[in-house]
Amino acid sequence: DTGVSQDPRHKITKRGQNVTFRCDPISEHNRLYWYRQTLGQGPEFLTYFQNEAQLEKSRLLSDRFSAERPKGSFSTLEIQRTEQGDSAMYLCASSLKKDPTEAFFGQGTRLTVV
Amino acid sequence: RKEVEQDPGPFNVPEGATVAFNCTYSNSASQSFFWYRQDCRKEPKLLMSVYSSGNEDGRFTAQLNRASQYISLLIRDSKLSDSATYLCVVTNAGGTSYGKLTFGQGTILTVHP
Repeated sequence: DTGVSQDPRHKITKRGQNVTFRCDPISEHNRLYWYRQTLGQGPEFLTYFQNEAQLEKSRLLSDRFSAERPKGSFSTLEIQRTEQGDSAMYLCASSLKKDPTEAFFGQGTRLTVV
Repeated sequence: RKEVEQDPGPFNVPEGATVAFNCTYSNSASQSFFWYRQDCRKEPKLLMSVYSSGNEDGRFTAQLNRASQYISLLIRDSKLSDSATYLCVVTNAGGTSYGKLTFGQGTILTVHP
């Protein structure tokens, strides 16, 4: 499968625990985006990378959230001290710089905080 | 006010019906426009881009009115397989934010036999 892959697909965690998600973009894509989607809403932008540089972060991304893309390939999104409000689908997308508007999404990581 | 607004529906239509979805966006600097489709518990997938001249892809027709900041999607001859959530999406003009997608909340469509 040469699409965007995310791991894990599902994660249940207790409130206060830290979680980390991984995204592997399509190999030649140098832009990588993270979005969050709650029930009944469209995805909301969290942050994006061009290669290893994190170029923009949403105000939704509190201090408990951190994202990295150390070698410009895969990316991780960490949530520290999870809260019930963090329960959502976390989607990763990648695109080519020359056509950043055509983004391909991974299947997402569904996080449930209990 | 949300940057992209859609009627959430749900729209329940019989097979063969024609259904239209509307969307408005608030940022006049928005540059590119799309409709995405999202099946239940799956990722969004690009359905079609939207141009001012209007564009058609089989049974799907999309229109953009920049003056009114309004986007539409028309589905003709609905199929059961069209049941999904349809997301209206915009991106802003140039710079580093270009490519960042802003989604509406989605319109749920259910096509029944």
